[in-house]
Parts: sequence; structure tokens; C-alpha cells
Amino acid sequence: GAVVSQHPSRVICKSGTSVKIECRSLDFQATTMFWYRQFPKQSLMLMATSNEGSKATYEQGVEKDKFLINHASLTLSTLTVTSAHPEDSSFYICSARDRRRVYNEQFFGPGTRLTVL
Amino acid sequence: GENVEQHPSTLSVQEGDSAVIKCTYSDSASNYFPWYKQELGKRPQLIIDIRSNVGEKKDQRIAVTLNKTAKHFSLHITETQPEDSAVYFCAASTGGFKTIFGAGTRLFVKA
Repeated sequence: GAVVSQHPSRVICKSGTSVKIECRSLDFQATTMFWYRQFPKQSLMLMATSNEGSKATYEQGVEKDKFLINHASLTLSTLTVTSAHPEDSSFYICSARDRRRVYNEQFFGPGTRLTVL
Repeated sequence: GENVEQHPSTLSVQEGDSAVIKCTYSDSASNYFPWYKQELGKRPQLIIDIRSNVGEKKDQRIAVTLNKTAKHFSLHITETQPEDSAVYFCAASTGGFKTIFGAGTRLFVKA
């Protein structure tokens, strides 16, 4: 149980294009999902908290118009990197919180490696 | 703001020895403290967690301790094996479900 999938696992795109990343909880419902960014040999940086049916909450310094988040159902959240530039290249990981659990146990997706040329 | 400090950043031990990683947190409202193991290029995997109403928890070779007064928590791995080599992250979470991660500890277990 508590499986989270993420798609695509790897994407290479040209500068100026937009990229959509999907995060799905496969065997549980997640009212809350989280999007993280991870640079090589560094920790997980929370970008935003995605709440089902409402607007995402972005961390300080994260541009909401640049990183569009949609959480339209209890099992799916999407992150769209708009007008991507080389500095957006990174490892993006989502996690999902099982709504049945009292504490904030998060289960992570496998991550998406984005390379912007 | 909230902060989690983790030490050491790198830890090298001989196979069979113990490894200890320490974290401190700043937000006294934190009530949940998970530990994650991340292998290169893979997702973080939850290996053990502890809640604020518990002082210690053990699962086979892994144990975690929590000192709420000092805002310290630690991960202890006994009888280390080469497959324990990875990056370990501590984290602290409040009832608002926001989780703050430590910077990570790169553990090397030498055979």
C-alpha cells in the first residue's frame, strides 16, 4: 500500500516550452500532495503544498505563475513548469499524504528529472 | 522560520559498526519526525518515524530517539551493512502537515 507514481520519469525540453509532471496516489486518497525540488547532493526543498479542490500554497521564493499546480482529484496533482529555462533543470519529486492517517506520513513518487536545453 | 539541522553531513563507518545521525528542530509545534533513506537517483523511502508522545522507537537494526525538551532527535543504525550506504534525511512536521527536511547525511559503510 501507499504507492505514489510520477510521470514522466525523465524529460528533456527546449528553452521556452512548458512541461507537465503528474503525481498520482495509486492505492489511497490524498487530499494533500507536496512538490519538492532537489538539486544534486542537496536536500529536498518544498516548493508548494497542493490541496485537493483549492489553490496550492507556495513557499517563499517560488513563483506561482512559473510553477502551476493543479490538484483536481483525490489521486492526482500536476505541476506545470511554464516557459522552462535551463535554470529550471532539476529533480522534481512529489509526495502524497494519506488522508486516513493522523500524522503527516508522506509517500514519495519516483521523481522526474527535467533537463532544459 | 522553521529549521531542521542535521549532522554530520558525511559519515563513514566500517561494516558492523554503528552509525548515529543527529537532528535538531526549531518549531516546538512539531509532532512527527520521520527519517528517510534515499539512494542515488531514487525516491526517498521512509525507514522509521517517531511521534512527539514517544521517546524511543526501534525496528530491528534501526532506532530513533526523541528529546522534546532539547528539540533533538537521532537515528541509530546498528550492525551496519554495505547496503545501508545512502543519504539519510531527518524531517520534522507539524499538525499543519508542512514537513521541513534536514540537509542530509551521506553514509558510507565500508566492507
